[in-house]
Amino acid sequence: QVQLQESGPALVKPSETLSLTCTVSGGSISNYYWSWIRQPPGKGLEWIGNIYYIGSTNYNPSLKSRVTISVDTSKNQFSLKFSSVTATDTAVYYCARAVAGSSIYFYYYYMDVWGKGTTVTVSS
Amino acid sequence: SSELTQDPAVSVALGQTVRITCQGDSLRSYYASWYQQKPGQAPVLVIYGPNNRPSGIPDRFSGSSSGNTASLTITGAQAEDEADYYCNSRDSSVHFGTGTKVTVL
Repeated sequence: QVQLQESGPALVKPSETLSLTCTVSGGSISNYYWSWIRQPPGKGLEWIGNIYYIGSTNYNPSLKSRVTISVDTSKNQFSLKFSSVTATDTAVYYCARAVAGSSIYFYYYYMDVWGKGTTVTVSS
Repeated sequence: SSELTQDPAVSVALGQTVRITCQGDSLRSYYASWYQQKPGQAPVLVIYGPNNRPSGIPDRFSGSSSGNTASLTITGAQAEDEADYYCNSRDSSVHFGTGTKVTVL
């Protein structure tokens, strides 16, 4: 059974770069999209971006200028870097596996395995 | 619009049926997926594709779609179904719905 585990600092200072890693265990990183999602306190889910295992990326347009997602297939890990953070970037950050494809009539995209999430606070 | 709109909150009597809707233009081309999130926990996928349930999700959860609206139906709601529910789809980007808080009375 595939499991995901986020890791990284719980506290980041304003203007610095938030760095998180997601380790995939129990399965291969190949043939899937790997996503980062965040949830500010008391608010809804916000998609940050994803990376296909071969390295192609897609980012939320509203966050794109500050986000970099990378993958290390040799370690079965993918990572998030989020620059110039402010207090509004305080959130629970989740990593997730995403499946994308198409049937005869429709496309589909869903996230079937999630990490437990890690809380990141931006504060001096 | 690329946004996905959900009703903020719905309530349902124990054992009754509740439908949660999600509206957005991307749903004309993409199936919605649905996630259940309980307080302090990560979201859990409950419906994907036309009406598929991951292993372990009870069959009281079902999905449907028409035009720009996707629906999640809980038939015979249980106390443990009380949670926030989010839809998800994509177009040029990936979007989550605004979320619906389901209260089981």
